[in-house]
Amino acid sequence: DSGVTQTPKHLITATGQRVTLRCSPRSGDLSVYWYQQSLDQGLQFLIQYYNGEERAKGNILERFSAQQFPDLHSELNLSSLELGDSALYFCASSVEGGQSAEAFFGQGTRLTVV
Amino acid sequence: AQSVTQLDSHVSVSEGTPVLLRCNYSSSYSPSLFWYVQHPNKGLQLLLKYTSAATLVKGINGFEAEFKKSETSFHLTKPSAHMSDAAEYFCVVSTINTGKLIFGQGTTLQVKP
Repeated sequence: DSGVTQTPKHLITATGQRVTLRCSPRSGDLSVYWYQQSLDQGLQFLIQYYNGEERAKGNILERFSAQQFPDLHSELNLSSLELGDSALYFCASSVEGGQSAEAFFGQGTRLTVV
Repeated sequence: AQSVTQLDSHVSVSEGTPVLLRCNYSSSYSPSLFWYVQHPNKGLQLLLKYTSAATLVKGINGFEAEFKKSETSFHLTKPSAHMSDAAEYFCVVSTINTGKLIFGQGTTLQVKP
């Protein structure tokens, strides 16, 4: 158990809908990362938050947004869903978000858009 | 820019034989490198990390990796494969300011009895 909790584990929804994925980082970790894993793109970095502030942005679509709350949990919001958004979404956390910090991953949320 | 290239998409070994998973990296500065493992329907688990200390890094479950700057490589090895090692392995480089991880395409390790 990495200490990072993601909910829900599975999500099935229709095209055009909106969903929210939730992540609770390890106790004491200030930095949260979101990654998307798909068969064609592999593991791609989406966005990073550090202590409530956005720190880095990757290949995140405009239909997607995220935030980190004062209690440090994070949510990833996906809207106007398309079939191609079906993927495994991982959250990871690290203590301070620097180059050498170990990132601990949650079990992921498997999103299926039908 | 940083990147990693995993040279084999699929490696098959027999149980009890050595494992070698190859990774080359590209980085404009001294990199931090990691190997993660993903078992089917599971999250990603850190096997080991290199952060400019010893070039030979020991990880969990008997895995180790050697950082070779001259070859820009960070290959993962294990002396003797076990059936439970069958999984997807990712070589990863971390960026300097944010620690965001850049993943290789992954190597599927198959272990035959």
